[in-house]
Amino acid sequence: AQTVTQSQPEMSVQEAETVTLSCTYDTSENNYYLFWYKQPPSRQMILVIRQEAYKQQNATENRFSVNFQKAAKSFSLKISDSQLGDTAMYFCAYGGDDKIIFGKGTRLHILP
Amino acid sequence: NAGVTQTPKFRILKIGQSMTLQCTQDMNHNYMYWYRQDPGMGLKLIYYSVGAGITDKGEVPNGYNVSRSTTEDFPLRLELAAPSQTSVYFCASSYIGTPNTEAFFGQGTRLTVV
Repeated sequence: AQTVTQSQPEMSVQEAETVTLSCTYDTSENNYYLFWYKQPPSRQMILVIRQEAYKQQNATENRFSVNFQKAAKSFSLKISDSQLGDTAMYFCAYGGDDKIIFGKGTRLHILP
Repeated sequence: NAGVTQTPKFRILKIGQSMTLQCTQDMNHNYMYWYRQDPGMGLKLIYYSVGAGITDKGEVPNGYNVSRSTTEDFPLRLELAAPSQTSVYFCASSYIGTPNTEAFFGQGTRLTVV
């Protein structure tokens, strides 16, 4: 069975700093997707970035980028120039052949 | 463009009552999911479906039932509600296998069992 592990329950950084959120996963599948979702206090689930496992190039979306290490089964999220609006829960997720499963999340606080 | 629609948004149930959480999507997605999110926690998969007529258990299926008679609808049934089922429930859908694969979520249902 696939698993997703986020080892940082909570993090705080100063506004404008760079922060990295960690995620590891386990799977025996060769083709899959990895995601980072943001959940602000509104409870809405917002896709931040996605990575296809067969692509070696790390995905980037503006201030958000990932470090995808397939052999190590690691998928970290880097937020550059952090903003107050980045304060939220962040979930790492794995999408395999039939389902998408989530980690327990990292609560990120951006401090003014 | 409705996306994934869940009803109701809030509900209070008494112990032992039953209810159905409705979920419908208009994106013609083949995959649909039900998750629960307990306070301060991640999303746990309850049930999922890879297409009409096909459902399978996730991590925490006990106390729930689902059906998928159409591509659009994926209702979640709670029988004999218990306080442990107090949670926020999310329905989601996706079309796995394209470069734009992602899970689209409903707004969630906050359920309290008293």
